[in-house]
Amino acid sequence: DAGITQSPRHKVTETGTPVTLRCHQTENHRYMYWYRQDPGHGLRLIHYSYGVKDTDKGEVSDGYSVSRSKTEDFLLTLESATSSQTSVYFCAISLSGGPNYGYTFGSGTRLTVV
Amino acid sequence: RKEVEQDPGPFNVPEGATVAFNCTYSNSASQSFFWYRQDCRKEPKLLMSVYSSGNEDGRFTAQLNRASQYISLLIRDSKLSDSATYLCVVESFQKLVFGTGTRLLVSP
Repeated sequence: DAGITQSPRHKVTETGTPVTLRCHQTENHRYMYWYRQDPGHGLRLIHYSYGVKDTDKGEVSDGYSVSRSKTEDFLLTLESATSSQTSVYFCAISLSGGPNYGYTFGSGTRLTVV
Repeated sequence: RKEVEQDPGPFNVPEGATVAFNCTYSNSASQSFFWYRQDCRKEPKLLMSVYSSGNEDGRFTAQLNRASQYISLLIRDSKLSDSATYLCVVESFQKLVFGTGTRLLVSP
């Protein structure tokens, strides 16, 4: 068990409100990732982090920000939620410090923006 | 064009059948390749890595053809529990890119 947990598991929020999703890992892995999954698009990378305070944008970063002030926590913030951000959000960690051995995913957060 | 392309299916097969999924990728510099399995409303889980020499894990065989930029997954003697979505995953510029998945339904 890679010790990765996401919270909340489900959330319904209103358009225009800020929302923060949390990803917590217990094993000191350096690389962490946020993906969203939507029908017809598969998993798309939002942001990723390669260490404390080191983050970078992925493919679909508009409308999202991230923070990593501690190794164990990677936060994803929707600055002003829109209906197009209704999705399932997955956090992932790299066990090897890169992509070469794959990623392990958290259980996901199902977000609905109404 | 998507970086990783898969036939979405669904593939409907009876128990005991052999089924094959294919995937193509666009970045010729990609170095790492995987198949993930995703059950309905669950997170993706690593099924197996894919190597140029081909690799087998029980009933599952994965193959990579770098020249054609093509990856395959073969499942022999399908079980009901194999019903899931299978995601083709390719490393591209040091990050993993996921295909949209191929859905497999195994029936009694």
